Amino acid sequence: AAGVIQSPRHLIKEKRETATLKCYPIPRHDTVYWYQQGPGQDPQFLISFYEKMQSDKGSIPDRFSAQQFSDYHSELNMSSLELGDSALYFCASSIRQNYGYTFGSGTRLTVV
Amino acid sequence: AQSVTQLDSQVPVFEEAPVELRCNYSSSVSVYLFWYVQYPNQGLQLLLKYLSGSTLVKGINGFEAEFNKSQTSFHLRKPSVHISDTAEYFCAVSHTGTASKLTFGTGTRLQVTL
Repeated sequence: AAGVIQSPRHLIKEKRETATLKCYPIPRHDTVYWYQQGPGQDPQFLISFYEKMQSDKGSIPDRFSAQQFSDYHSELNMSSLELGDSALYFCASSIRQNYGYTFGSGTRLTVV
Repeated sequence: AQSVTQLDSQVPVFEEAPVELRCNYSSSVSVYLFWYVQYPNQGLQLLLKYLSGSTLVKGINGFEAEFNKSQTSFHLRKPSVHISDTAEYFCAVSHTGTASKLTFGTGTRLQVTL
């Protein structure tokens, strides 16, 4: 079965650089969520999109932005990267009634 | 707002012993409840979920959980654990509305030893 695809799997950036993370949801899933998981931490909700519109916003820094495109894939753009942005970034997708979220394998971002 | 409390940060257990990982939630509205497992350096895998109906939910890998509305709990259990169950386990809750985000607990590290 198709799963949630995230790219890249690993990313190393320097401070103050920008990064773009991509998420391809399961076909026919119309909702995408982004989570950030710091080392030894639980996943923290960043932002979500339903039918290409932002549906909810969590603890996402102003330096980050995201969008969902017409093909339902989503991108998380991160600018002016800081050391504290080093984390595992997960994307999850679901259908409208959120009967189950499927997570991607994550993108491990390391800021040096 | 909703929140999840996982009462134990670490649970050590011997192989073939039973285990219970505790989870309590707080919410002013109806919720769905989930348990996820995360193996080292891997993503989150859904173990089981409670949406409605029977309060006893069976999941993958022999795990089950019971929804107790009066105690606002959703404890995860397994009658006999294996070394391969060693992982981080997260309890999570979402509202029953459309496109509702997950709120996670802080996780419980299950360490299974011989």
